[in-house]
Amino acid sequence: DVKVTQSSRYLVKRTGEKVFLECVQDMDHENMFWYRQDPGLGLRLIYFSYDVKMKEKGDIPEGYSVSREKKERFSLILESASTNQTSMYLCASSLFADRGLYNEQFFGPGTRLTVL
Amino acid sequence: SQQGEEDPQALSIQEGENATMNCSYKTSINNLQWYRQNSGRGLVHLILIRSNEREKHSGRLRVTLDTSKKSSSLLITASRAADTASYFCATASTGTASKLTFGTGTRLQVTL
Repeated sequence: DVKVTQSSRYLVKRTGEKVFLECVQDMDHENMFWYRQDPGLGLRLIYFSYDVKMKEKGDIPEGYSVSREKKERFSLILESASTNQTSMYLCASSLFADRGLYNEQFFGPGTRLTVL
Repeated sequence: SQQGEEDPQALSIQEGENATMNCSYKTSINNLQWYRQNSGRGLVHLILIRSNEREKHSGRLRVTLDTSKKSSSLLITASRAADTASYFCATASTGTASKLTFGTGTRLQVTL
């Protein structure tokens, strides 16, 4: 059974702190994604990675960075957390798909981050 | 506005009724997918329909795709209380391979 896990379900941090969100998948997927989800805005892509040490900016990368040192792990980093980064963060993974022929994404349970 | 916008934003029906949600998008797509999200949880993939397909079924789900109108619909037949969730469409645009663009979702409430 496909599984994507995220390090925390709930996280509370203070403004200015460095925050690490970890995501691990056990399906040997090439692609991994980080989204944030806010009411009324749906899911917005922050960063994605299609291979180890490779990354691409999504739609809202400002204030975030990512790291992918191993195929199964994709980390999202908030260098200096701010209150407007309070959100639900969702990690997903998928197989590499040539020309998008088959690219179902598998999601983790989410991390609800509150920045005070 | 976003690629992939669902309509309505919220839908409330009684158990046993059918629920229909619509999705509109702007650019050419390779495929369109529907996902479900229970409150406070991650998304779960429901069904994928390719750009050369017009209709697809999976259990109580029926998805249609009209590429000329850039729209899709998700029909859930004989709904159950357990179908209460948010439903999102997501589009894979041509040339973007694995990246999906999600809509803002339809919140479905099924009451007994």
